[in-house]
Amino acid sequence: GAGVSQSPRYKVAKRGQDVALRCDPISGHVSLFWYQQALGQGPEFLTYFQNEAQLDKSGLPSDRFFAERPEGSVSTLKIQRTQQEDSAVYLCASSLAWGQGALENTIYFGEGSWLTVV
Amino acid sequence: QKEVEQNSGPLSVPEGAIASLNCTYSDRGSQSFFWYRQYSGKSPELIMSIYSNGDKEDGRFTAQLNKASQYVSLLIRDSQPSDSATYLCAVITGSGTYKYIFGTGTRLKVLA
Repeated sequence: GAGVSQSPRYKVAKRGQDVALRCDPISGHVSLFWYQQALGQGPEFLTYFQNEAQLDKSGLPSDRFFAERPEGSVSTLKIQRTQQEDSAVYLCASSLAWGQGALENTIYFGEGSWLTVV
Repeated sequence: QKEVEQNSGPLSVPEGAIASLNCTYSDRGSQSFFWYRQYSGKSPELIMSIYSNGDKEDGRFTAQLNKASQYVSLLIRDSQPSDSATYLCAVITGSGTYKYIFGTGTRLKVLA
């Protein structure tokens, strides 16, 4: 597709339920990022993939959060035993690669997955 | 101290005026700076990137970078009601890293 695609767009989960959020990056983009955005805040970094390798997961808030990108394209962010504080928009972004050039560095966001935990 | 700081606003300007949005950052080694616009309920979209000290113009938008003072700003000339949104400043801290650090955003209201 032309842009970053995320699904589901909206998810209501009961506390304790597991959820899986999917991201389909722009075709050919090597780098993939997950961000979490709470209401009224800027996006907060969660994790970064270069192809299938997860190079940085320092932003994942707890071991209930897990991300994968097994074939270097589609990525899934999984949240186990959801809690109310997990309610946020989860943004996926991708970039062509990662280098010194403006083109490679520019990240493009998907529309986000809005998670509400009740 | 937050790594990237912005005034949350709202910043209200009349239609046709210049809107000035500011951002400061703490990592002196930061190399890459970005402004994103985010409409309510939508994802951030890139407006401009800037890497060198000085001004960079693109249409009605001008980004200004001053590394010595560690600030980056965005000017919007001839502001339109459609410019009403939250403007996010993002910084890639250090060299050779990939992590965009975002500010909390400044909400801009352009009054018709």
